[in-house]
Amino acid sequence: ETGVTQSPTHLIKTRGQQVTLRCSSQSGHNTVSWYQQALGQGPQFIFQYYREEENGRGNFPPRFSGLQFPNYSSELNVNALELDDSALYLCASSLTKSGTLTQYFGPGTRLLVL
Amino acid sequence: GQSLEQPSEVTAVEGAIVQINCTYQTSGFYGLSWYQQHDGGAPTFLSYNALDGLEETGRFSSFLSRSDSYGYLLLQELQMKDSASYFCAVREGDSSYKLIFGSGTRLLVRP
Repeated sequence: ETGVTQSPTHLIKTRGQQVTLRCSSQSGHNTVSWYQQALGQGPQFIFQYYREEENGRGNFPPRFSGLQFPNYSSELNVNALELDDSALYLCASSLTKSGTLTQYFGPGTRLLVL
Repeated sequence: GQSLEQPSEVTAVEGAIVQINCTYQTSGFYGLSWYQQHDGGAPTFLSYNALDGLEETGRFSSFLSRSDSYGYLLLQELQMKDSASYFCAVREGDSSYKLIFGSGTRLLVRP
């Protein structure tokens, strides 16, 4: 059984640029949630994808967008990067959309915006 | 809205027992989860309580009291590797599967 994987592990961008982060869900999981975690804080929910459709969104602006593919892998896109977007971005997969209380996280992508 | 409160930091000695508390406010309740996160790592699912009582998984146990909107994580026979941040989390509400995390409790285990 393959766990949740994310790429890249680290990324450095400058203000105004765009970034795409990728996530492969755990085998058999059809739901992916994305989180932003600032240093010393708990993860903040960005959005969730279930069977290729967005299924809930947190308090993040529209420049944060995502996709889920037929194999349930997912992408997080952030446009017009700001300094405050520097954070650890985590994706988590769960067996179903209602299973978020027992989800499994990937190792994260650490994004630094200069 | 939903909110969770947990202590910011707890220190304990190797071999001891430590309890990390979490109180929550939610519009609906679907369970309380606990996650462990080592510095630089990803959160790891530890435990989940949907009903009142104690759930035991090895050295870790989690307790829930829905009437008190309260839960705790109990770590026994502490080891140095247990030094990490611990987060409690609840689901947002009826029509949402959004997970709300507490701000985390940093556990430092001393020799």
